[in-house]
Amino acid sequence: QQPVQSPQAVILREGEDAVINCSSSKALYSVHWYRQKHGEAPVFLMILLKGGEQKGHEKISASFNEKKQQSSLYLTASQLSYSGTYFCGTEIDGQNFVFGPGTRLSVLP
Amino acid sequence: DAGVIQSPRHEVTEMGQEVTLRCKPISGHNSLFWYRQTMMRGLELLIYFNNNVPIDDSGMPEDRFSAKMPNASFSTLKIQPSEPRDSAVYFCASSFVGPYTFGSGTRLTVV
Repeated sequence: QQPVQSPQAVILREGEDAVINCSSSKALYSVHWYRQKHGEAPVFLMILLKGGEQKGHEKISASFNEKKQQSSLYLTASQLSYSGTYFCGTEIDGQNFVFGPGTRLSVLP
Repeated sequence: DAGVIQSPRHEVTEMGQEVTLRCKPISGHNSLFWYRQTMMRGLELLIYFNNNVPIDDSGMPEDRFSAKMPNASFSTLKIQPSEPRDSAVYFCASSFVGPYTFGSGTRLTVV
């Protein structure tokens, strides 16, 4: 079952922060986050496992709330290079991996 | 490592023609995935191989689509006959217990 992402799109000014949410109706085993720039392939950002800790990647970090069956991606002090579409992918019981519909992020100067 | 290699990068074909997309996964990765991406439907999983064996092909749209993985270093996705609604970007991805690495994709246009 496809996870739900919110918001669908967000526009930021350089230096502003953003949060992208990913939620599932089923208990999650893991959550992946990917970023896809226009005309390119999705690129892996990070993976959060059931029982794992919050992860970080430069100024991008993520959390995983198992009880709420959701994950959030935090982008701090956004840069122009952060523009793109962010996808979460959710895995149930170690299988059945499904990508969310994506959140389009635009960072303006 | 050169990453996941897909060919061709672009393919334009006429309706009814056969189309073959190719993928070379990263050496050592034991899982291979074929995805289709369109604006309307997003990233859709078509088929998934593990250790060269098809595990889940429930996403293959219809009998016109077929995929093979004859060995650990090569996979093909074939569409025969092709239709305009097959126009999309087709991605191949591979993994070994965790993150997926995507190829650059094949942009297919069926006219």
